[in-house]
Amino acid sequence: AQSVAQPEDQVNVAEGNPLTVKCTYSVSGNPYLFWYVQYPNRGLQFLLKYITGDNLVKGSYGFEAEFNKSQTSFHLKKPSALVSDSALYFCAVRDGGGGSNYKLTFGKGTLLTVNP
Amino acid sequence: DAGVIQSPRHEVTEMGQEVTLRCKPISGHDYLFWYRQTMMRGLELLIYFNNNVPIDDSGMPEDRFSAKMPNASFSTLKIQPSEPRDSAVYFCASSSAGAGANVLTFGAGSRLTVL
Repeated sequence: AQSVAQPEDQVNVAEGNPLTVKCTYSVSGNPYLFWYVQYPNRGLQFLLKYITGDNLVKGSYGFEAEFNKSQTSFHLKKPSALVSDSALYFCAVRDGGGGSNYKLTFGKGTLLTVNP
Repeated sequence: DAGVIQSPRHEVTEMGQEVTLRCKPISGHDYLFWYRQTMMRGLELLIYFNNNVPIDDSGMPEDRFSAKMPNASFSTLKIQPSEPRDSAVYFCASSSAGAGANVLTFGAGSRLTVL
């Protein structure tokens, strides 16, 4: 079975400060990891993914995420937060060793609020 | 491309009525996913298709739910009969094959309210 945990329901940061949104995962094989963002009344949008290679992955809008195999984590980060980054963020995982299994499991989401 | 198109955007119906949600995926995408989002349960995968064939429907809650993909450009999710606990936002998403198979493009969602 595959699962994702986002331990924080909400994260609040001041504009200009660094932000971190946490994610831990569990899969039996190699993890394929993703971050998506959801703005109000919209569908989810892809931010970045880790399949293999460098542990630090860079994505859209200045976001990056670090894969840590020993801690089974894939935290989302940004050096300087913007008010426009305020949204709901989802971590997702798929078991990369699952052959033709393309089932993507999402976390519950973390609401990020960036205060001016 | 106009992206993934879902209809209706909002549906209010009474318990016991049939509900049909529709989705047009991005042209050329091989995979189509139906997700349900609620506050309590978050985002749940209901079913996904590959080349119009259902691959995994283990997330379909019960026999009241059914999904079809008659061709590469159209899918439906049907609930019959509907119940208040089915109230949720239903998302359709599509993706291409290979490593991009999980870079999903989501539609705007269909918000269902069952009274």
